[in-house]
Amino acid sequence: DARVTQTPRHKVTEMGQEVTMRCQPILGHNTVFWYRQTMMQGLELLAYFRNRAPLDDSGMPKDRFSAEMPDATLATLKIQPSEPRDSAVYFCASGFGTGFGSEAFFGQGTRLTVV
Amino acid sequence: TQLLEQSPQFLSIQEGENLTVYCNSSSVFSSLQWYRQEPGEGPVLLVTVVTGGEVKKLKRLTFQFGDARKDSSLHITAAQPGDTGLYLCAGPTQGGSEKLVFGKGTKLTVNP
Repeated sequence: DARVTQTPRHKVTEMGQEVTMRCQPILGHNTVFWYRQTMMQGLELLAYFRNRAPLDDSGMPKDRFSAEMPDATLATLKIQPSEPRDSAVYFCASGFGTGFGSEAFFGQGTRLTVV
Repeated sequence: TQLLEQSPQFLSIQEGENLTVYCNSSSVFSSLQWYRQEPGEGPVLLVTVVTGGEVKKLKRLTFQFGDARKDSSLHITAAQPGDTGLYLCAGPTQGGSEKLVFGKGTKLTVNP
């Protein structure tokens, strides 16, 4: 049963600490997305990659957030330093990126709490 | 900026009732997708509508894309507790068809 795997599922950290979230996309998918979900803003796209190359990170606060794909089986989202306003659920999704109507398969998310 | 407005924001109904939720925009979308998200899980795609006026059925769920491709609706017949969840609509942004913009969702609760 192919699925997107995210770790950790939950993370509580103190303000100022570094946070790294990891994602294993579905094997064979060439597009990986990072989303953030909050009650106020809903789902927001932070960044996405195609064939491991970053295509768009305009939704990401670049002074503290960074996203990378070291290889085809791993995507990372890092926050340094973390702030309370970063508290949210972070989702990774992967897909084939073939154009409109492409399905995005989401992981279960990482619930981040910054205190 | 393309925005998708969903209504109602919350909906609580009894098992067996029918309901309709809406997804509206002032922008034209090449397609719209509907996802369902259960607590503690990521969204799962239900359907993609592509053609203006298109109607798609998925068991008790009926999805319609507006003629002008600016809106969509989801109708559920004889709702069941298993339909409980957050229903999200999403559409590709003008900047790139892989980039999706999501509505904030309708949180549906079906009481037994």
